[in-house]
Amino acid sequence: NAGVTQTPKFQVLKTGQSMTLQCAQDMNHNSMYWYRQDPGMGLRLIYYSASEGTTDKGEVPNGYNVSRLNKREFSLRLESAAPSQTSVYFCASSEALQGRYTQYFGPGTRLTVL
Amino acid sequence: LAKTTQPISMDSYEGQEVNITCSHNNIATNDYITWYQQFPSQGPRFIIQGYKTKVTNEVASLFIPADRKSSTLSLPRVSLSDTAVYYCLVGDNNDMRFGAGTRLTVKP
Repeated sequence: NAGVTQTPKFQVLKTGQSMTLQCAQDMNHNSMYWYRQDPGMGLRLIYYSASEGTTDKGEVPNGYNVSRLNKREFSLRLESAAPSQTSVYFCASSEALQGRYTQYFGPGTRLTVL
Repeated sequence: LAKTTQPISMDSYEGQEVNITCSHNNIATNDYITWYQQFPSQGPRFIIQGYKTKVTNEVASLFIPADRKSSTLSLPRVSLSDTAVYYCLVGDNNDMRFGAGTRLTVKP
């Protein structure tokens, strides 16, 4: 049982390049999330998916797109990377039990945009 | 979305009990209160969750007064390894927001 896995662990991009961050969970959770965390700051929600086939914007969605490929996988795409997107990206999943959401996080992807 | 307010930082010494309070004045009727712990270079980890009164697990206790406008995370007998950032979240759906958290430093 690996929990939540993310690839890659590290990535360096040049301004304008594109890339996709991958996330997978093996806990059969319905909900999945993408967060970013800038140095010394808390996590900010980019997008979330309440179930397969649905996605919703969070606090900071601009510059990102997501795909909920199936129940296990939720990817985050940067179409044209900018230095302001330099951050650590965390994926999480959760199951809802009568309004109780407990999130399980992956190890993160450290992205640098030059 | 319920907004939360926590102290930015706290210091403690090994073996002491630490209490971190979170204010959430506009908590809604269906909202749960959840606390997470984050070590450097790692994703947050669930600690404890509650709705009212007191909840205790092997790691911590969570105290919630009757009006639910605040909550207190209690860590008994902290050790150096409890040095981390602690986040309080309030909500009952997928769109819950992390604040800046409380940076706890445990000293020898």
